[in-house]
Amino acid sequence: EVQLLESGGGLVQPGGSLRLSCAASGFTFSSSAMSWVRQAPGKGLEWVSAISGSGGSTSYADSVKGRFTISRDNSKNTLYLQMNSLRAEDTAVYYCAKGGSSPGPYYFDYWGQGTLVTVSS
Amino acid sequence: EIVLTQSPGTLSLSPGERATLSCRASQSVSSSYLAWYQQKPGQAPRLLIYGASSRATGIPDRFSGSGSGTDFTLTISRLEPEDFAVYYCQQYGRSPLFTFGPGTKVDIK
Repeated sequence: EVQLLESGGGLVQPGGSLRLSCAASGFTFSSSAMSWVRQAPGKGLEWVSAISGSGGSTSYADSVKGRFTISRDNSKNTLYLQMNSLRAEDTAVYYCAKGGSSPGPYYFDYWGQGTLVTVSS
Repeated sequence: EIVLTQSPGTLSLSPGERATLSCRASQSVSSSYLAWYQQKPGQAPRLLIYGASSRATGIPDRFSGSGSGTDFTLTISRLEPEDFAVYYCQQYGRSPLFTFGPGTKVDIK
């Protein structure tokens, strides 16, 4: 059974930093592209960042480029999101999502339950 | 950047009725790159359809996807009580890599 468990969310002041983690199990983690997707309170879904299975390729939404860094540790089956220079508009539930396999990682076939990040003074 | 527009914003129907949800892209999207998700309050999204028309594992056959180019449709043939939720379409592109539509809420009439 595929499981994705996020952690690391919480309350942080504007300008602060936070690191999210996503522990994965039930599939070959190193073979799967992974993403972070966020959802502001009462709003829709916004893709944040993606990383290839090897970790060699990353991509970011313009809204977080230069502030957020996605990474992974395949030996620990864990995905990370380092978030710096946080702003009020980064307040959201952050989901870890597994990229699909067939025909390619063009969708998200499994999602974690999310972790809430609140940026406020 | 490809923008996805979903209509209607809200669809009010009764159990047993047919639901037809639309997703329109600002530019042509490969069918391989179009997916649909269901989200219930307080829950994570769940994949329903990928590749425009392929049902994800465990998804009932009352859910079907169709379309090509710029116009895609999610159809729920007969609404069950558990189907009342928000539905999002999503496309895979170049920059940004993924975009979502604003969602269609299906609520009970």
